[in-house]
Amino acid sequence: GAVVSQHPSRVICKSGTSVKIECRSLDFQATTMFWYRQFPKKSLMLMATSNEGSKATYEQGVEKDKFLINHASLTLSTLTVTSAHPEDSSFYICSAREFSSYNEQFFGPGTRLTVL
Amino acid sequence: DAKTTQPNSMESNEEEPVHLPCNHSTISGTDYIHWYRQLPSQGPEYVIHGLTSNVNNRMASLAIAEDRKSSTLILHRATLRDAAVYYCILRDDRDYKLSFGAGTTVTVRA
Repeated sequence: GAVVSQHPSRVICKSGTSVKIECRSLDFQATTMFWYRQFPKKSLMLMATSNEGSKATYEQGVEKDKFLINHASLTLSTLTVTSAHPEDSSFYICSAREFSSYNEQFFGPGTRLTVL
Repeated sequence: DAKTTQPNSMESNEEEPVHLPCNHSTISGTDYIHWYRQLPSQGPEYVIHGLTSNVNNRMASLAIAEDRKSSTLILHRATLRDAAVYYCILRDDRDYKLSFGAGTTVTVRA
């Protein structure tokens, strides 16, 4: 199956700093990528949808100036958590959809962000 | 978004079948039924999907009720590696977004 990677897998940062998380589709072109957040023992919450070359569409309640998403190529999307605070600590997961794959999304392994 | 209801948890013995129910009484005609699973500290993994007919693949089977208001994911022979949270999701045919509910935590006993 198609592979999606995320980097870094874990990051610890100080409050007030910005953190960039990369999501790459390794063996396919991803026309659409999705970003999710998951708190401990909770389900995934969709944050935004990004299409290559377009601005991301954010879900209600997600601050677009706080969570900057860039999808500059068909294999790479980045999520930047700006001015991170302890409440932003979470598991961030991306997924990607291949143009020809109508039904299946391929998920990355996730990035554990801890803000001190 | 149409909602799904799943039991919080289920236990199974290794090598026995597991039947995971999902209720989706408000399903619309354009909703596909998707199942994903998430192993601890990993991203979700696609399991199976269907619209009206029962479906089989190498991982599982999906049995869909005739009125489509419920479905059952069947793991034919559970292994320890099948211990995960299983999510039943309705995806509108008009977009590709997935809305995850609480899911069912499956525990497999050796």
